[in-house]
Amino acid sequence: AQSVSQHNHHVILSEAASLELGCNYSYGGTVNLFWYVQYPGQHLQLLLKYFSGDPLVKGIKGFEAEFIKSKFSFNLRKPSVQWSDTAEYFCAGNPWGGSQGNLIFGKGTKLSVKP
Amino acid sequence: KAGVTQTPRYLIKTRGQQVTLSCSPISGHRSVSWYQQTPGQGLQFLFEYFSETQRNKGNFPGRFSGRQFSNSRSEMNVSTLELGDSALYLCASSLLPGSNEQFFGPGTRLTVL
Repeated sequence: AQSVSQHNHHVILSEAASLELGCNYSYGGTVNLFWYVQYPGQHLQLLLKYFSGDPLVKGIKGFEAEFIKSKFSFNLRKPSVQWSDTAEYFCAGNPWGGSQGNLIFGKGTKLSVKP
Repeated sequence: KAGVTQTPRYLIKTRGQQVTLSCSPISGHRSVSWYQQTPGQGLQFLFEYFSETQRNKGNFPGRFSGRQFSNSRSEMNVSTLELGDSALYLCASSLLPGSNEQFFGPGTRLTVL
């Protein structure tokens, strides 16, 4: 079955630490991948997306992600986190490309950044 | 540009009742998708609508249904509510069906007692 998995349920970091959140997808065909963020009390927002081309994708707020096809991975990174990055992060994929809009989400990773 | 709006934001119902949730997409967006978010199962796709037609449906029982109106606004209905239906229901809009960039609303928090 098509799936997206996130390795970490809860990550706790101190400010200025580097962040890497793991994401693996399990499907072939079209690879459309996303990272969404959900800040406390707010709605899901798109951080970045990968459809094709340069496997290193830059998003908002200093986040980036690298698509590694051989590893079926799309890990999210940030060199130096801030307290305001405390949120839940969701990796999502769409194996159907443009034919269907339903996203498959990972279970999410809660990031807590200590000031 | 106004974002996706969902009403009501919070809802409390009892088992056996039915509920209707509403979603207004971003102006100009014609596709609406619905997701259920729970702590245990995470975010799961419910259905996708475009031009008043359901294009895709997730793996949910028939008690979950939806529709889309000519102005692209969408509603979802859950009949015969069960305790397990307690969740955050999210609506997402996009320009076209299958469009890969979806914009999410704040959700409706449904509690079933």
